[in-house]
Amino acid sequence: EVQLVQSGAEVKKPGESLKISCKGSGYSFTSYWIGWVRQMPGKGLEWMGIIYPGDSDTRYSPSFQGQVTISADKSISTAYLQWSSLKASDTAMYYCARHTGYCSGGSCYSVAWFDPWGQGTLVTVSS
Amino acid sequence: EIVMTQSPATLSVSPGERATLSCRASQSVSSNLAWYQQKPGQAPRLLIYGASTRATGIPARFSGSGSGTEFTLTISSLQSEDFAVYYCQQYNNWPPVTFGGGTKVEIK
Repeated sequence: EVQLVQSGAEVKKPGESLKISCKGSGYSFTSYWIGWVRQMPGKGLEWMGIIYPGDSDTRYSPSFQGQVTISADKSISTAYLQWSSLKASDTAMYYCARHTGYCSGGSCYSVAWFDPWGQGTLVTVSS
Repeated sequence: EIVMTQSPATLSVSPGERATLSCRASQSVSSNLAWYQQKPGQAPRLLIYGASTRATGIPARFSGSGSGTEFTLTISSLQSEDFAVYYCQQYNNWPPVTFGGGTKVEIK
């Protein structure tokens, strides 16, 4: 079974640093892009960025570029999302998810829909 | 960045009735569109990809249609477990991949 398991909930103060994790199992971790998605309280889904664990190629949404760092350790099939200085506005649920690729018209694309998703990590930033 | 707009924001439907959810893209995304279901306290779950292909294990009452800029998710006969929030997502142009704002399907 393909599965993504995320680290537990975190409560932090503004200005603190944080690194949350997402461990993949049941598939070749280095062969699929892993993405991070933010969901603020009562709000929708926002794509933050992705990493290809095979070579650590990383892409960010312009909205999140410079605000977070995405990394991966392929030796332990784990992706990470990291903040150097948290703000109250970082309070949200964060999901990791695996991008599935597809082929069409003789070309193949490696970033498409998300399946599966991790269970989510709730990050609360409060003084 | 492609903007995805879902309507309505909330849809009130009685069990057994049909629900029709809309998703519009600010520019063509071809058929590169997925739909997800999210229940309270749970992660999103993939329902549809390629605009119209049901994901593994998704019941036949869920169907997707459309291409270009206009897409529809139809739930033919709502069951109690279908009351949730539904999101569309385009993957034609990235970064970033973008999601719609969601449609909440509630019990009438």
